[in-house]
Amino acid sequence: SQELEQSPQSLIVQEGKNLTINCTSSKTLYGLYWYKQKYGEGLIFLMMLQKGGEEKSHEKITAKLDEKKQQSSLHITASQPSHAGIYLCGAGPSGSARQLTFGSGTQLTVLP
Amino acid sequence: ETGVTQTPRHLVMGMTNKKSLKCEQHLGHNAMYWYKQSAKKPLELMFVYSLEERVENNSVPSRFSPECPNSSHLFLHLHTLQPEDSALYLCASSQDQARRQLYGYTFGSGTRLTVV
Repeated sequence: SQELEQSPQSLIVQEGKNLTINCTSSKTLYGLYWYKQKYGEGLIFLMMLQKGGEEKSHEKITAKLDEKKQQSSLHITASQPSHAGIYLCGAGPSGSARQLTFGSGTQLTVLP
Repeated sequence: ETGVTQTPRHLVMGMTNKKSLKCEQHLGHNAMYWYKQSAKKPLELMFVYSLEERVENNSVPSRFSPECPNSSHLFLHLHTLQPEDSALYLCASSQDQARRQLYGYTFGSGTRLTVV
């Protein structure tokens, strides 16, 4: 089965700083989803990357997919307290999202 | 409002109780999922329903029993649970395969279950 490892597990940054979260897969990535979760809440879809080299941005959050490295990175520019939460990456086998497997998540704290 | 509603938000139950978790979506999606989220662990896929038919059961103990009466509703029936079953239970839904690949799942806010 596919396993996703996220790093770091937790991150504390000062407001205004940039940060990067990584997600590495044990198998070939056919598509990679990024979600954000507030503590005790459901997951909110951020973006999905499908092709190697693909890069997408949503407000100040940018995600990239490196198929060769079986890795994706999520970069936040000029972080704000509203960015705080748990970021999870998810992937499915063979391009199907039917059985999304998720990483353990990265807990982000942004200090005002 | 995410479009997927889960009730109750919080549930405390004894090990001998029987309770049910409810999930409802009116997004027109045709697949629904139950996930379990425990502290410090990845989300665990429990059950997948596609077009009201169970297509995935990831070795979940029989004390968890899902039910999908129609494409808009999903239940998780609980009985004789153990304290280690305490977790956040998340429901999700998705559309046909092409849209699912683009947009992934829509998640509910979850039910925080505590077994005492």
